[in-house]
Amino acid sequence: DVKVTQSSRYLVKRTGEKVFLECVQDMDHENMFWYRQDPGLGLRLIYFSYDVKMKEKGDIPEGYSVSREKKERFSLILESASTNQTSMYLCASSFSGGREQLYGYTFGSGTRLTVV
Amino acid sequence: LAKTTQPISMDSYEGQEVNITCSHNNIATNDYITWYQQFPSQGPRFIIQGYKTKVTNEVASLFIPADRKSSTLSLPRVSLSDTAVYYCLVGEDNQGGKLIFGQGTELSVKP
Repeated sequence: DVKVTQSSRYLVKRTGEKVFLECVQDMDHENMFWYRQDPGLGLRLIYFSYDVKMKEKGDIPEGYSVSREKKERFSLILESASTNQTSMYLCASSFSGGREQLYGYTFGSGTRLTVV
Repeated sequence: LAKTTQPISMDSYEGQEVNITCSHNNIATNDYITWYQQFPSQGPRFIIQGYKTKVTNEVASLFIPADRKSSTLSLPRVSLSDTAVYYCLVGEDNQGGKLIFGQGTELSVKP
């Protein structure tokens, strides 16, 4: 069964800490994405990557950075965690197309981050 | 990226057929229509995707009229476990393009 695995299910961090959220996919997908989900705001795209060492800003990149050194791994970094970054973080990956068969996104189970 | 509009919430009873309609008036020629399901504390799960007419899989059917300005997700004989949020998205997903999630439809299935 194909998977997107997020390293932690729950995290509690202190304000000002540097936080790393890790995501690994085993489907050889080119594209990887980081979203955050908050009540009433839905899923919002933070950053995405179409290839190794490539990154693109999503709708809410402020306060975040990303790293993609290997195709299967996409890391989200909170340089200095703040309480307004308390949220559910979801990683996803997708194939880059070129076939008749269509593929959707595959999401991880999420990391619920609490910043205190 | 085309914007989608769908009902905020719907209620149903076990065994009923549920149809959730999504409007996407500005859908582009290359856009596909994709539906996702999300249970609490889980990531969204791909349900079905289509371009035009009708698509059916083991989970749902997707009806897309000729003008493609709307689509309807049909869930046959729902059960309590179908209670979830359903998202309609349009975009060039077949090319791996980024998808923008709207608010979704919160479906509540009652016994």
